[in-house]
Amino acid sequence: SQKIEQNSEALNIQEGKTATLTCNYTNYSPAYLQWYRQDPGRGPVFLLLIRENEKEKRKERLKVTFDTTLKQSLFHITASQPADSATYLCALGQPGGATNKLIFGTGTLLAVQP
Amino acid sequence: DAGITQSPRYKITETGRQVTLMCHQTWSHSYMFWYRQDLGHGLRLIYYSAAADITDKGEVPDGYVVSRSKTENFPLTLESATRSQTSVYFCASSEVDRGRNEQYFGPGTRLTVT
Repeated sequence: SQKIEQNSEALNIQEGKTATLTCNYTNYSPAYLQWYRQDPGRGPVFLLLIRENEKEKRKERLKVTFDTTLKQSLFHITASQPADSATYLCALGQPGGATNKLIFGTGTLLAVQP
Repeated sequence: DAGITQSPRYKITETGRQVTLMCHQTWSHSYMFWYRQDLGHGLRLIYYSAAADITDKGEVPDGYVVSRSKTENFPLTLESATRSQTSVYFCASSEVDRGRNEQYFGPGTRLTVT
C-alpha cells in the first residue's frame, strides 16, 4: 500500500541553524510534491511545490529537494527563527495531476529555540 | 471577505445525530475537498469534488455524505454521528491549473461526538 513517512518525532533546533525535514514515500510515483505549514488550531498553508522532473526549488529561506530514485524529499529552512516553529506536512500529487488530489504525510513538528 | 470559511468552528453532538459541516469559498475554484485530521493519521481525504454536481469518494468516506449544488459551497453531512467521527475537519479548495495545484484550507471545524 502507499505510504508516506515524515520524522515522527519533533525536531528541536537552535535559532540560526538550518532545519532539515524528511519526507519518504513507498509504492507511489507522484507527479509532484508539495510542502505545507500548519500552526496549532489552523488549517495548513501551502509553501512550495516541486515537480518530478525538478531536483531543487527555493523560496527565500526555504529549499526543497526531490529525489524520485530514493523516493525522498528534503525540506530545508535556513537561518531558522522561532517564528518558523510549526508542523510541516508533505503531500504527494497524483500522477498526471488529473484530479488535484493529494496524499498527506503525518507531519513533523519543528521547534526553533531562541 | 474573500477566502474559504467553515462553520461551525466547534460542534458537540451526540451519537446518532445528523450534523452538517459547512464550507464556502469565494475564489470560484473548481476543486473542493473534505479532510479529517486525527493524531497519528495526519490529513485523510473524505470526499472531493471536481465541479458542481461532481463528487467522488476519498480514502475514508464511510458515514459521510456530500453535495455540491453550487461551485462555492461544499457541505459535509454525518448522517448518524459516531464517536469515531470525533475529529478536526478541514475543507480545502484548488484550481484546475495543473501547473500549480496547491490547496487552500479553511480554519477547520472541531467536532466532538459524545
